[in-house]
Amino acid sequence: ETGVTQTPRHLVMGMTNKKSLKCEQHLGHNAMYWYKQSAKKPLELMFVYSLEERVENNSVPSRFSPECPNSSHLFLHLHTLQPEDSALYLCASSQDPTSKGDEQYFGPGTRLTVT
Amino acid sequence: SQKIEQNSEALNIQEGKTATLTCNYTNYSPAYLQWYRQDPGRGPVFLLLIRENEKEKRKERLKVTFDTTLKQSLFHITASQPADSATYLCALQGVLNKFYFGSGTKLNVKP
Repeated sequence: ETGVTQTPRHLVMGMTNKKSLKCEQHLGHNAMYWYKQSAKKPLELMFVYSLEERVENNSVPSRFSPECPNSSHLFLHLHTLQPEDSALYLCASSQDPTSKGDEQYFGPGTRLTVT
Repeated sequence: SQKIEQNSEALNIQEGKTATLTCNYTNYSPAYLQWYRQDPGRGPVFLLLIRENEKEKRKERLKVTFDTTLKQSLFHITASQPADSATYLCALQGVLNKFYFGSGTKLNVKP
C-alpha cells in the first residue's frame, strides 16, 4: 500500500453519463496529481494541485473537471466522454512539488471504459 | 517540452543475469531523474532518484547511472529474479510541477 487510495477501481460508462473518480491520500502531502495512462503511451499529466490550488492544467478537455476540496482528497468529474478517453487514470501525491526530486506516490488507478 | 524515450520492446533475460534498461531524453538536462516500477493493474512505485551531479546511485541490487552529455540514464538490476519482472519507467521533472514519464520498458526475468 502506498498510502494513496482510488475508487472505483473499475468503471464502465456511456458517453452521456456523468461519473466521478475519487482519490484520497493518507500521507500528509501537499500536492496531488491526476494522470492518464493509455496502452503503450507514456503517463500523461492532466492536473496538479498544490495546497488545494490548481497549478497545472495540461490542456485537458473540459469534459474532465478536477476538484480538490482539501489537501487529502482529489476528484475527477467526468461527463460526455469519448471512447478514446478509455484508459487507466492514476492519482498521485507528493510532499512538495516545488522541490526538485520530489518523488510521487501513486494510487492503484481506475480502469475507465467508455462505451 | 521534454521527450523521453525508453525501449518499447520487452527485455527478456535469464534469472541471475544483470538487466540493463535505457532512458534517453531530449532537450534540456534535468536536475535529476527518477525510476519507477509498475506492475500490471497497479500504479507506479518510486525506486531511485539520481541528481545531475551524481554519476551513479545504488540501492541494494539496483544501480542507476546518469550521463548528462549523452542525455541518458541506465538502470541496472543485478542478480535478477523472476519477481523483478515488471515495467520500469523513467521520469524527469521539468519546470515546476510538470513531470514527464517515458512509456516504460517491460522486463521479463525467466527462471
